Amino acid sequence: DVKVTQSSRYLVKRTGEKVFLECVQDMDHENMFWYRQDPGLGLRLIYFSYDVKMKEKGDIPEGYSVSREKKERFSLILESASTNQTSMYLCASRTEGTSGSYEQYFGPGTRLTVT
Amino acid sequence: AQKITQTQPGMFVQEKEAVTLDCTYDTSDPSYGLFWYKQPSSGEMIFLIYQGSYDQQNATEGRYSLNFQKARKSANLVISASQLGDSAMYFCAMKGDDKIIFGKGTRLHILP
Repeated sequence: DVKVTQSSRYLVKRTGEKVFLECVQDMDHENMFWYRQDPGLGLRLIYFSYDVKMKEKGDIPEGYSVSREKKERFSLILESASTNQTSMYLCASRTEGTSGSYEQYFGPGTRLTVT
Repeated sequence: AQKITQTQPGMFVQEKEAVTLDCTYDTSDPSYGLFWYKQPSSGEMIFLIYQGSYDQQNATEGRYSLNFQKARKSANLVISASQLGDSAMYFCAMKGDDKIIFGKGTRLHILP
């Protein structure tokens, strides 16, 4: 089974703190993604990565950065957490299926609260 | 720009009835893929079904089928014989380039 794990299920941080969200996948996938999920807005892509040391901005990158030093690990960094970054954060990794399908596997999510 | 639209924020359906969840999309790419995911209250995202833009037949996976109408740019999910365990949030998504973008979701409630 593909496993995508995230370092914390719940996290509470103070405004201004630097926050690290870690994501690890064990299937040797090249592509990894960070989304945030908010009620009524669905999932919005923050950043993604094609390969080690490569990153691309998604739709809402402001206030975030990422790091991919190893293929299996993709970190999301909130340089200075703000209350509007309170959200559910979902990591995903993706492979290309034998039939040409694109199955994207998600981690369990980290619910971050910034106070 | 690519866009996914789910117009039904919530639906209530009687158990054992069939359900259709609507999804329309917009893209200028000739090659794209469409997905449906289920998110139960536990929070994990569960992949349900995929349809490629060049696939001739509609995708099916067990009780799930994707009603793909390319000319209308719609990719509705059909769940046959609904069960109580189908109660969840459902997201339609589209792959274009290397990103996957999601709709805002439909919350499905199955009534006993």
